[in-house]
Amino acid sequence: RKEVEQDPGPFNVPEGATVAFNCTYSNSASQSFFWYRQDCRKEPKLLMSVYSSGNEDGRFTAQLNRASQYISLLIRDSKLSDSATYLCSSNSGGSNYKLTFGKGTLLTVNP
Amino acid sequence: EAQVTQNPRYLITVTGKKLTVTCSQNMNHEYMSWYRQDPGLGLRQIYYSMNVEVTDKGDVPEGYKVSRKEKRNFPLILESPSPNQTSLYFCASSSWNQPQHFGDGTRLSIL
Repeated sequence: RKEVEQDPGPFNVPEGATVAFNCTYSNSASQSFFWYRQDCRKEPKLLMSVYSSGNEDGRFTAQLNRASQYISLLIRDSKLSDSATYLCSSNSGGSNYKLTFGKGTLLTVNP
Repeated sequence: EAQVTQNPRYLITVTGKKLTVTCSQNMNHEYMSWYRQDPGLGLRQIYYSMNVEVTDKGDVPEGYKVSRKEKRNFPLILESPSPNQTSLYFCASSSWNQPQHFGDGTRLSIL
């Protein structure tokens, strides 16, 4: 099982829709989790950090479920500008600190 | 301005000709990392460093070398590049348990 796995997508949704991505992680020692947004051929940029149960920032909500070892990202009222690839990542924690990324989920928001 | 700087941004070279991609960060981060990104494979970690003189292999270290002689710099060295190392490369840095900051990326083509 890969350390971090994401819904492969692609997701095609209309403007204004609510869309949710899930990401599972295999290392129960992981301490922190992040969602990044990546536009085509550009560097990933931090969208949200998740250290405890969840985080909310405007239209974006991230939730962490440690018992089931997954994190989710919810986007409400999606905009055309939300079209991008969304990457989740987790750190392994402890002395062997290592950050691992999922392969990403492509989202296209259509007019 | 806080940033991670990679150079060069683009490079076309030939098989076997040693090259170095530089990475520098001005945020006093302990953790630095190199990734390659290929279509369908996501971000794969090549090497990472938890502090000066401390480096470790990531998931795809073969054919690469790194060094961490100073906290701010983490160069990626390809001693004898081959066509399968043609890829988009990202350097990133972070403090412990914090999200990573990415450089703009280096698009490398090995002919």
